[in-house]
Amino acid sequence: GQQVMQIPQYQHVQEGEDFTTYCNSSTTLSNIQWYKQRPGGHPVFLIQLVKSGEVKKQKRLTFQFGEAKKNSSLHITATQTTDVGTYFCITFNDKIIFGKGTRLHILP
Amino acid sequence: DTEVTQTPKHLVMGMTNKKSLKCEQHMGHRAMYWYKQKAKKPPELMFVYSYEKLSINESVPSRFSPECPNSSLLNLHLHALQPEDSALYLCASSQYTYTEAFFGQGTRLTVV
Repeated sequence: GQQVMQIPQYQHVQEGEDFTTYCNSSTTLSNIQWYKQRPGGHPVFLIQLVKSGEVKKQKRLTFQFGEAKKNSSLHITATQTTDVGTYFCITFNDKIIFGKGTRLHILP
Repeated sequence: DTEVTQTPKHLVMGMTNKKSLKCEQHMGHRAMYWYKQKAKKPPELMFVYSYEKLSINESVPSRFSPECPNSSLLNLHLHALQPEDSALYLCASSQYTYTEAFFGQGTRLTVV
């Protein structure tokens, strides 16, 4: 069945550094959503990407959907302590597929 | 109101107990979901309801029994659980299946 590989599994960055997480698939994705889950919290929707080559920005967050719709990335510029958490990608065909998540730690 | 409310927040139950988890949303969403999440793992989909009908059951053991009494409510009935069923149980809703999902705070379940 379809799988989505999310990398890296963990990322430690100094506060102020940039951070990127990637979701990759061997097959074309119809769409992709990104969620953030703070430690001890619940997933919160960030964005949905549908179009080939789509780029969306939310303040310091930039989301991209690849031209072939087989990969997506979430980039955070100048991380802050509030960015701590796990970032998940989710995609859908005939079922819901979660990436394993990237756990972001910020070093002060 | 953009909240999904889950009760209880914490639950400890014995392996012979019967309990229920409750989820409520008043956003008019037509899709509702149950997920199970173990520590440091992504949520695992259990059930999807669409327009109050069960549309997806991800081969969940029968000791978990979902119920959707109306468009705002979703229950998960628990019976004869095992210690390995201890986890965070998350409810979510979305306007339609696979659109932006709103998650509840979860019920942290411990089976003893």
